Amino acid sequence: KNQVEQSPQSLIILEGKNCTLQCNYTVSPFSNLRWYKQDTGRGPVSLTIMTFSENTKSNGRYTATLDADTKQSSLHITASQLSDSASYICVVLQTGADGLTFGKGTHLIIQP
Amino acid sequence: GAVVSQHPSRVICKSGTSVKIECRSLDFQATTMFWYRQFPKQSLMLMATSNEGSKATYEQGVEKDKFLINHASLTLSTLTVTSAHPEDSSFYICSARDQKTGDYGYTFGSGTRLTVV
Repeated sequence: KNQVEQSPQSLIILEGKNCTLQCNYTVSPFSNLRWYKQDTGRGPVSLTIMTFSENTKSNGRYTATLDADTKQSSLHITASQLSDSASYICVVLQTGADGLTFGKGTHLIIQP
Repeated sequence: GAVVSQHPSRVICKSGTSVKIECRSLDFQATTMFWYRQFPKQSLMLMATSNEGSKATYEQGVEKDKFLINHASLTLSTLTVTSAHPEDSSFYICSARDQKTGDYGYTFGSGTRLTVV
């Protein structure tokens, strides 16, 4: 069964600090992995999309890594800001499939 | 970039009435659109997948007669919640897959908060 597991479930850090969110998946065959940011009451917004051959991809203060061998990904947030408070969802697309497999997300809170 | 417009953003309706939610791809053609439901502090749950011009495919446990999906064009899909009840209150989100970019082109709408009173 295709699954995406994220950790931690929730995280609280101080403004300005860095943090790393984890994602493990069992989706196969693998097409691509995405990280989304979802603010409360809003739809998910794409941060990064990575294919099998990509190890690292950055989007501003967000840097995602992918290890396709171990089926692990991480999202690193640098110099966190209050606006980074949101849920971060790891999503994987299976080759040949229409739909996405979602992780349950990490709820991140940035405190001043 | 690709934009998906979802309306309304919030709706309150009386129990027993029907509500229609629209999902439009503004600058691309969407061969496939997806409808999700999200409960508080939980991830998105796929309700159905619709391809333009054909019947939607519903996930197990989702009542197709209650959640009517129409995907009449490559840029518009609608979800109608029929005979709504308080337990249908939730956050509904659509997603559209870009015909041109395929595996890379999934864009989400901003969601609709439905409250049934």
